[in-house]
Amino acid sequence: DGGITQSPKYLFRKEGQNVTLSCEQNLNHDAMYWYRQDPGQGLRLIYYSQIVNDFQKGDIAEGYSVSREKKESFPLTVTSAQKNPTAFYLCASSIGQGESSYEQYFGPGTRLTVT
Amino acid sequence: SQKIEQNSEALNIQEGKTATLTCNYTNYSPAYLQWYRQDPGRGPVFLLLIRENEKEKRKERLKVTFDTTLKQSLFHITASQPADSATYLCALDPIYNQGGKLIFGQGTELSVKP
Repeated sequence: DGGITQSPKYLFRKEGQNVTLSCEQNLNHDAMYWYRQDPGQGLRLIYYSQIVNDFQKGDIAEGYSVSREKKESFPLTVTSAQKNPTAFYLCASSIGQGESSYEQYFGPGTRLTVT
Repeated sequence: SQKIEQNSEALNIQEGKTATLTCNYTNYSPAYLQWYRQDPGRGPVFLLLIRENEKEKRKERLKVTFDTTLKQSLFHITASQPADSATYLCALDPIYNQGGKLIFGQGTELSVKP
């Protein structure tokens, strides 16, 4: 059963703590993405990776970090430097190259609450 | 500045009618535009992609148009059903045809009443 998994679904942290959100895909996709969604807003790109061991900042990368050591995994760390970390975080993947690469497959999301 | 905008107000329609959602963009020259459906608390699901050289695309009860002169895409759901109630997001490639990176609109919430 192919797809993208994110864990956990809900995450609670105290302010000042770093937290890592998991994203795994078994679709054999080259490209992976992290988005943040706030109520009433669209998805905003945090980081993306088009190939293993390479990633680029998106529009709101400050306070976040990522790694891409394996093709199937793209974890996101929300650091204490992120001023408003409470949000719904979505991971996505796409094939990577060619016309069909443009369709993105999304995971179920992780809702992070920081108090 | 660059913007991608969708109707911010929710769209309420009666079952059986056609729902029409709008996506306008400014200062982008996309190679394609995509539409996604998102249910509450879940990740978006891809619906349709339309390329700049395509005027219209259909899939079952869904129809998308793309007018690069008006910088607008319209998304239609014909014979709407309560199960079509969701938020619909449009997205485009901010750098022409490169890398799969997408910019999303804020979404329009559709509610179909029986």
